[in-house]
Amino acid sequence: KNQVEQSPQSLIILEGKNCTLQCNYTVSPFSNLRWYKQDTGRGPVSLTIMTFSENTKSNGRYTATLDADTKQSSLHITASQLSDSASYICVVSGAGFQKLVFGTGTRLLVSP
Amino acid sequence: EAGVTQFPSHSVIEKGQTVTLRCDPISGHDNLYWYRRVMGKEIKFLLHFVKESKQDESGMPNNRFLAERTGGTYSTLKVQPAELEDSGVYFCASSHLGLAGGLTLYEQYFGPGTRLTVT
Repeated sequence: KNQVEQSPQSLIILEGKNCTLQCNYTVSPFSNLRWYKQDTGRGPVSLTIMTFSENTKSNGRYTATLDADTKQSSLHITASQLSDSASYICVVSGAGFQKLVFGTGTRLLVSP
Repeated sequence: EAGVTQFPSHSVIEKGQTVTLRCDPISGHDNLYWYRRVMGKEIKFLLHFVKESKQDESGMPNNRFLAERTGGTYSTLKVQPAELEDSGVYFCASSHLGLAGGLTLYEQYFGPGTRLTVT
C-alpha cells in the first residue's frame, strides 16, 4: 500500500532555532517527492520538488534531502521565524500523471 | 497571475441535501485535480482532469460524487445526497500539462479549499 509517514506529528521551537522534519514513504514506483507548507485556512504551497536523482534541494531557509534507497526525506528549517508556524506536508508522486500521496503533516509552532 | 480559486469557502448543509463546489484553475492549466481532507486524516486524491477529460477518478469515494469540467476551464464537484462522512475540506489544484507519458515535473498549485460541513 502506498503510504507516506511523517514525524514528529507536532513540534514547538523557539524563534531563531533550527529544526528537522522527517518523512518515510513506501510509494512505488517513485517519481518525485515534494514538501508543502500549509498555513491555517489556506491551501498547500510547494516548497521543494525532488526526483530520485536529486538528494538535496534548497528554497531559502528550507533545505530538503532525499535518500531514494532508504525511501526517506527530511526538511530542515534554518533560523526559524514566527511565519514558519504552519503544517509541513510530505507528498510523494508515483509515475505517470503525478497522482500525489500525502503524509498527515507535521504541525510546527515557532514561539517568540 | 491569479491563483486557483474555489467557491464557496464554507458550506454547511443537512444530510441528504445537495452541494456543488466550484474550482477555477489558473488560466492555461490543463491539469485539474480534486483532493479532500477529512478530519484528522491526510489529504487524499479524488480525481484528475486533463482538459475536459477525466484522466483518473480512482479516488472518488462513491457514485454520490460527480465531477465535471465542461469546456476544459472551471470544474464543479457535486455531492448528492450528502452524508455526514462527506464533511471535510475539499481542495482543487491545477498545473500545466506535461509530455504525454512523460515525467515532466509541473508544480501543482492549490486553491484555499472549501470547508464542507454536513449536519
